[in-house]
Amino acid sequence: TQLLEQSPQFLSIQEGENLTVYCNSSSVFSSLQWYRQEPGEGPVLLVTVVTGGEVKKLKRLTFQFGDARKDSSLHITAAQPGDTGLYLCAYAGNTPLVFGKGTRLSVIA
Amino acid sequence: ETGVTQTPRHLVMGMTNKKSLKCEQHLGHNAMYWYKQSAKKPLELMFVYNFKEQTENNSVPSRFSPECPNSSHLFLHLHTLQPEDSALYLCASRTELAGVHEQYFGPGTRLTVT
Repeated sequence: TQLLEQSPQFLSIQEGENLTVYCNSSSVFSSLQWYRQEPGEGPVLLVTVVTGGEVKKLKRLTFQFGDARKDSSLHITAAQPGDTGLYLCAYAGNTPLVFGKGTRLSVIA
Repeated sequence: ETGVTQTPRHLVMGMTNKKSLKCEQHLGHNAMYWYKQSAKKPLELMFVYNFKEQTENNSVPSRFSPECPNSSHLFLHLHTLQPEDSALYLCASRTELAGVHEQYFGPGTRLTVT
């Protein structure tokens, strides 16, 4: 059983659309992270959320940590082709980090 | 640029070859990792080093041999690989602050075994 379940697994949208991807678990986490991996590169840390209900914004990306600290979501407004990549969530309170399988996003111009 | 570099970026090798992957981090971190990422599969942790000591070997076949001469450098020596070992090999270093761990990944080495 995967500790972190990410959905959807694949997502293909048109440029300008909005989207939300999810990271869910039955476990409570002290913190969660989101990484983005562009094709041919390594994952890059986008954000860490540590407080239940916390919302963080990074330009057009909005990250939310669930009130119960069991889940997180990533919302992208007006998606652009440059947002294409694999989005990974990870439990950051453990070492090594525990990663979900990721959501592979494709934004078509 | 994450502060973690990997060389080579691409490698093609035969099953009888011996090659090494190199990772270097300039972030002052004390933990380094090797991951394998196959097509459409999740990240697979291979090895963990803390303060140059191997602390985790995730049931990796012996044809993969890691080496960590100091906290800034990490190698993965490869020999007698199989075609199914073709993948993106990622190195990462880790820092920790107030119980939150952050990993910084290199760009990876795309390995093809022929």
